[in-house]
Amino acid sequence: AQSVTQLDSQVPVFEEAPVELRCNYSSSVSVYLFWYVQYPNQGLQLLLKYLSGSTLVESINGFEAEFNKSQTSFHLRKPSVHISDTAEYFCAVSDRRNTDKLIFGTGTRLQVFP
Amino acid sequence: GAVVSQHPSWVICKSGTSVKIECRSLDFQATTMFWYRQFPKQSLMLMATSNEGSKATYEQGVEKDKFLINHASLTLSTLTVTSAHPEDSSFYICSARLAGGGELFFGEGSRLTVL
Repeated sequence: AQSVTQLDSQVPVFEEAPVELRCNYSSSVSVYLFWYVQYPNQGLQLLLKYLSGSTLVESINGFEAEFNKSQTSFHLRKPSVHISDTAEYFCAVSDRRNTDKLIFGTGTRLQVFP
Repeated sequence: GAVVSQHPSWVICKSGTSVKIECRSLDFQATTMFWYRQFPKQSLMLMATSNEGSKATYEQGVEKDKFLINHASLTLSTLTVTSAHPEDSSFYICSARLAGGGELFFGEGSRLTVL
């Protein structure tokens, strides 16, 4: 079985500041890792994912996440946030053998202030 | 990207009544749809996997007679909460996968409040 921990329920930052949203997971099998973003009144959208290969993955809007197997982490980072990045961010994992079942963290609300 | 829409986005009902929530894939066909439930300050929990034309597969601990799922077409799955009680109040979210596999697309969620 897998589990996901997002320790920070809320992260307030000022615009143009760097941010890191933490995600740790536990699993007895190999996993795929995901970050989803949910903007107000919208469904979850895939932000980025790690399947294999390079442990550093990037999104088209400047976010990046690094898979760290030894620390079982997949933290999300952005060097300079915008007001428009305000949203709920969910980390998720799935068993590589069963990608239908996503296990989600409790989410982190990123609030960017001007 | 592909769009998944849920209806209604929020609903209030009396205890003992049944409520139906629809999940539609608007611009693609989805052989598989998934239903999740999210309680306040908790993570999304998979309730069931809905396959077009066959019975849904429920996760352990989810009552299939309580949460009826119907996936009658490649673009529509419905979740009916039967004889709803206040403890069923939650945020229900669906997702759909493109036929042939690939990325999951999520609906915007439906908030159910049972009085």
